[in-house]
Amino acid sequence: SSELTQDPAVSVALGRTVTITCQGDSLRSYLATWYLQKPGQAPVLVISGKNNRPSGIPDRFSVSRSGNTSSLTITGAQAEDEADYYCSSRDANENSLMVFGGGTTVTVL
Amino acid sequence: QVQLVQSAAEVKKPGSSMKVSCQASGGSFRTSFFNWVRQARGQGLEWMGGIIPLAGKADYAPAFQDRITITADESTTTVFLELSSLRSDDTAVYYCARGLLPHNLFDRWGQGTLVSVSS
Repeated sequence: SSELTQDPAVSVALGRTVTITCQGDSLRSYLATWYLQKPGQAPVLVISGKNNRPSGIPDRFSVSRSGNTSSLTITGAQAEDEADYYCSSRDANENSLMVFGGGTTVTVL
Repeated sequence: QVQLVQSAAEVKKPGSSMKVSCQASGGSFRTSFFNWVRQARGQGLEWMGGIIPLAGKADYAPAFQDRITITADESTTTVFLELSSLRSDDTAVYYCARGLLPHNLFDRWGQGTLVSVSS
């Protein structure tokens, strides 16, 4: 199965902008979806590869795509955005399968 | 509003099997894509497999291919995950998640079920 690569951790000052990336061959063909997870909780859908956000997810979250990379941007990070963020897409070699990135821990300073 | 309610935590012996359930309410059960995702303590998310009840056929991640079975019971709108030949490294929280097609976005998650494998 294919892989998605994320940086393990990133920090951002309160109110500033941070971008998290997700790289993988599958992203040349399939859109990445982003999830956040806070300690002790189930993951939550943040945004789709088409920039669609579920109700309740603020518009400071946006996504972009270039080549084999999907990028999640938080514009004006808030304390409550501190979480683990995971990207996911269909597998590059077998599109009935799904893959997750390793996750990025975002710390808001 | 789709809700997914999972079965309670379990403790299993190495070599045994586990079976976790996920009951769905709301939405269209038969045409939804139900996924199983697990997370070991302190680790990331790992997709295990999924099923569309209407199709009846499940897809499995290669890492679990020989010991996983995912089934769906339309009469109780419940999806099941069975994993056999359990090892200590199968200790994890197991989540079911409803996927929106065509991209299989996991828009609804169960609360998670902790399965501990220990002798």
